[in-house]
Amino acid sequence: NAGVTQTPKFQVLKTGQSMTLQCAQDMNHNSMYWYRQDPGMGLRLIYYSASEGTTDKGEVPNGYNVSRLNKREFSLRLESAAPSQTSVYFCASSELVWAVQETQYFGPGTRLLVL
Amino acid sequence: SQQGEEDPQALSIQEGENATMNCSYKTSINNLQWYRQNSGRGLVHLILIRSNEREKHSGRLRVTLDTSKKSSSLLITASRAADTASYFCATGTGNQFYFGTGTSLTVIP
Repeated sequence: NAGVTQTPKFQVLKTGQSMTLQCAQDMNHNSMYWYRQDPGMGLRLIYYSASEGTTDKGEVPNGYNVSRLNKREFSLRLESAAPSQTSVYFCASSELVWAVQETQYFGPGTRLLVL
Repeated sequence: SQQGEEDPQALSIQEGENATMNCSYKTSINNLQWYRQNSGRGLVHLILIRSNEREKHSGRLRVTLDTSKKSSSLLITASRAADTASYFCATGTGNQFYFGTGTSLTVIP
């Protein structure tokens, strides 16, 4: 099992450009998440998808859109990148145990630099 | 913000010593988890403790949870240089998780 995979690993964008970060998991988890991590800070939730066909905003959703393509895949799109979106982006999925979200499994991250 | 807070922000110890880090949070939770992050890498799950549990062990790790004080602690015994990393607590509430700002642990060989 590959677990959670993310592409690309690195990306440099110019202000105003768009891009999509891809994430896939092979653990048959219902829930998937996108986080960003800035220097010296913990992870902040951008969007999550509790199940296929649903998405919800997290703590910092402005400037982002998401698509839950199917149970395996959850993509994050930046329509018009800004320097403030320079960060490391992590995708995660979690397993449901007795109707409670428990252990999260993380991808390796995407480092994004917006010039 | 509903983020938890870890204390201390940074910790430096000698190999073989024990390391203790604390996490405080603000809301009621389903569970609390601890993760490790090596520099430039993704997060690795260490241990989960449910809201109805008070203590849990996994190898050299011991986690306690006090829901009345909204706090948790992670103890790493007999630390090794390979334990050098950042450690984060995450509280699970509903479908979301809230991460603390992390404790940076350095274990000196």
